[in-house]
Amino acid sequence: AQSVTQLDSQVPVFEEAPVELRCNYSSSVSVYLFWYVQYPNQGLQLLLKYLSGSTLVESINGFEAEFNKSQTSFHLRKPSVHISDTAEYFCAVTRRRALTFGSGTRLQVQP
Amino acid sequence: DVKVTQSSRYLVKRTGEKVFLECVQDMDHENMFWYRQDPGLGLRLIYFSYDVKMKEKGDIPEGYSVSREKKERFSLILESASTNQTSMYLCASSSALTGAGQPQHFGDGTRLSIL
Repeated sequence: AQSVTQLDSQVPVFEEAPVELRCNYSSSVSVYLFWYVQYPNQGLQLLLKYLSGSTLVESINGFEAEFNKSQTSFHLRKPSVHISDTAEYFCAVTRRRALTFGSGTRLQVQP
Repeated sequence: DVKVTQSSRYLVKRTGEKVFLECVQDMDHENMFWYRQDPGLGLRLIYFSYDVKMKEKGDIPEGYSVSREKKERFSLILESASTNQTSMYLCASSSALTGAGQPQHFGDGTRLSIL
């Protein structure tokens, strides 16, 4: 069965600093990987996804994630965060038609 | 844009009541899902449906049932609500056209309190 581990429950960071949110998964089969973001009082929104091809995927708001098959990781990075990036971030892996989610990482960007 | 609408943002019910949570999507998606979200546990799959009248259990189906009579609507039912079902409930939908790589689209959630 697939599982997802997000190693940090909270990540405080100052505005304009770089950030990395870590995600490791376990699966005996090939998977698709996703990062979702949840802003306060909202549902989840897709941030980026890895299906195949280039192992580095990017979102429209400056986040990127790299699929590393040997380390079974899909860490999310941003070189310079903004206050507006404050949210909870969830890593997810496919499981047949559904998804298995990690426990989430709360990113707190401070001025 | 895909829109997934959950009928209530906040709901307060009493122990033992039968509770219905409704979800509607407007993109003709085949797949629909119900998750519950609890702090430190992320999202856990309760049930999903891949077609009208078809359903599969997720990881935590106990105490819940679902109904999908029409393609656009997926209902979650708490047969006899208990306090441990107090949680945030999220509905999602996705297309089945190209397989498991399709992203899920989420509603804004229903925060359910069972007193």
